[in-house]
Amino acid sequence: DAGVIQSPRHEVTEMGQEVTLRCKPISGHNSLFWYRQTMMRGLELLIYFNNNVPIDDSGMPEDRFSAKMPNASFSTLKIQPSEPRDSAVYFCASSPVGPLYNEQFFGPGTRLTVL
Amino acid sequence: AQTVTQSQPEMSVQEAETVTLSCTYDTSESDYYLFWYKQPPSRQMILVIRQEAYKQQNATENRFSVNFQKAAKSFSLKISDSQLGDAAMYFCAYRRGGNKLVFGAGTILRVKS
Repeated sequence: DAGVIQSPRHEVTEMGQEVTLRCKPISGHNSLFWYRQTMMRGLELLIYFNNNVPIDDSGMPEDRFSAKMPNASFSTLKIQPSEPRDSAVYFCASSPVGPLYNEQFFGPGTRLTVL
Repeated sequence: AQTVTQSQPEMSVQEAETVTLSCTYDTSESDYYLFWYKQPPSRQMILVIRQEAYKQQNATENRFSVNFQKAAKSFSLKISDSQLGDAAMYFCAYRRGGNKLVFGAGTILRVKS
């Protein structure tokens, strides 16, 4: 199993540009999560999906952030326009149905730097 | 709101020794799950161990074990026979129904050879 796949692994962009982060969850997992990790705020849940439907987006910082999950194997997190304070590591995680549904499997993260 | 507190920003342990990382949480729920995740320098989040709140027996995974004190809302991680590869940031996390994980601030563990 390839695990959760995120791309790109690193992204450097300039303030005002649009940034799109991508995630492929583990096949068969029906929940997908987007987290942000910063020194100041630690690990924060931004949004999560069950069966491709957004369930809780209360962690999305502002309207500049949006997330989609068009199908069970793909999700995007978009920031438009980006700002320097968005610089962070963004993690995608997925979890399965069944006995292990409470365990989340994390991707390697995308390190975003906004100049 | 649920909160998770890790009061030790950094800990050190000698190789082959035992170290305990502390975690407390605040909840009014009776049914929930607790986790310890490891984040090495590679940034990859790795599940170390988990505990279901309804289970009285403390979870163990090889050299890793927990001391779960439900009444005290305490969930510490003990690492026995510490190895250089154990050096990482360790996060305590809480989850109840709804699939949301709430993480503590993390504890950096350094292992000395």
